[in-house]
Amino acid sequence: AQKVTQAQTEISVVEKEDVTLDCVYETRDTTYYLFWYKQPPSGELVFLIRRNSFDEQNEISGRYSWNFQKSTSSFNFTITASQVVDSAVYFCALRISDTDKLIFGTGTRLQVFP
Amino acid sequence: EAGVAQSPRYKIIEKRQSVAFWCNPISGHATLYWYQQILGQGPKLLIQFQNNGVVDDSQLPKDRFSAERLKGVDSTLKIQPAKLEDSAVYLCASRPTGVLNTEAFFGQGTRLTVV
Repeated sequence: AQKVTQAQTEISVVEKEDVTLDCVYETRDTTYYLFWYKQPPSGELVFLIRRNSFDEQNEISGRYSWNFQKSTSSFNFTITASQVVDSAVYFCALRISDTDKLIFGTGTRLQVFP
Repeated sequence: EAGVAQSPRYKIIEKRQSVAFWCNPISGHATLYWYQQILGQGPKLLIQFQNNGVVDDSQLPKDRFSAERLKGVDSTLKIQPAKLEDSAVYLCASRPTGVLNTEAFFGQGTRLTVV
């Protein structure tokens, strides 16, 4: 079975703090893709990053960084020097290559206070 | 490039009424998803199409929900009759099949309130 777990329901930080959002996934497939999406209060799902199962190289994009570790089935997301505009719900998702099925976690609500 | 279009944006109906949502995916995207997102929860896949064929509808409550994708382009999701617990945002997404390393693109969703 495929599953995505985001154990942190809600995180609150003060601006400029670093914050890490956890994501643990389950799949028996060898080829899969992992994603992070941001859902601001306006409701749309904004794509942030994708990773395929063969590429464990970590990635940094500005204040955002992602740590993919197959050994622990985790794909964690870190925001450095958080800002109020980062306040949103963040979803981790898993897509299975052979079926194209896209499964989401339950999301982590991040609140950044000034 | 135009994004995924959904309509209406908002809908309020009474329980036991019927409602339909419409989605126009990005041109050329063969895979289309419908998700239900209840307030405070993650999106739950209702149905997945590839062209006009159903790939996965295992979580679609088939006694009241139906979906179709005629000609493999636009899609409609219908609820009949609606229940209070159907209040949610219904999200449509699409992606190009056969292109492995791409993400799904989402519409703005339809917020349904059943009273």
